[in-house]
Amino acid sequence: DAGITQSPRHKVTETGTPVTLRCHQTENHRYMYWYRQDPGHGLRLIHYSYGVKDTDKGEVSDGYSVSRSKTEDFLLTLESATSSQTSVYFCAISFRQDSEAFFGQGTRLTVV
Amino acid sequence: TQLLEQSPQFLSIQEGENLTVYCNSSSVFSSLQWYRQEPGEGPVLLVTVVTGGEVKKLKRLTFQFGDARKDSSLHITAAQPGDTGLYLCAGALQGAQKLVFGQGTRLTINP
Repeated sequence: DAGITQSPRHKVTETGTPVTLRCHQTENHRYMYWYRQDPGHGLRLIHYSYGVKDTDKGEVSDGYSVSRSKTEDFLLTLESATSSQTSVYFCAISFRQDSEAFFGQGTRLTVV
Repeated sequence: TQLLEQSPQFLSIQEGENLTVYCNSSSVFSSLQWYRQEPGEGPVLLVTVVTGGEVKKLKRLTFQFGDARKDSSLHITAAQPGDTGLYLCAGALQGAQKLVFGQGTRLTINP
């Protein structure tokens, strides 16, 4: 299995609070992605990174920010959590943008 | 609007039947990938197709990349209950640095 871990695996938070999800890899892959998965929508790209301090928005980036200060870690922050951000969040890594993506186990976030 | 449109979104068939899942786009992709996802897990890669018109086989699964590299299909022959799962196509747009996914096809094979 690819060395990719997400933390926490489950979180319940209140509306309006900031939340940070962490993705850690040991594969030294250049690309890292944050997706959210909701019924009927597959995986929607939130933000992605193509190198340290190189990040860009995906299709559903509003309300989210990311940081990548070192190769191993990609952080996703919900600046002020809303109920619409209740979802399962997946981090993925890949060597190139068109090579196999390896996924973490997911983080189930509930905003109440 | 989804960049990659999968159809059908849900499919429930009997064991032994054949099925085809489609992944379509108006954009050209440098490659297309198919993943399978089990409940509570992240998606796992099944295959990558790179060349227009390419056909790849994985046991009873046949994957095809369209000639124009805008679409792909997954055909399963003699489906079995173990094929049940969520199938996702994903692609890297030419010149882009990101991997995008379709909305998925939830497949159920009934014994």
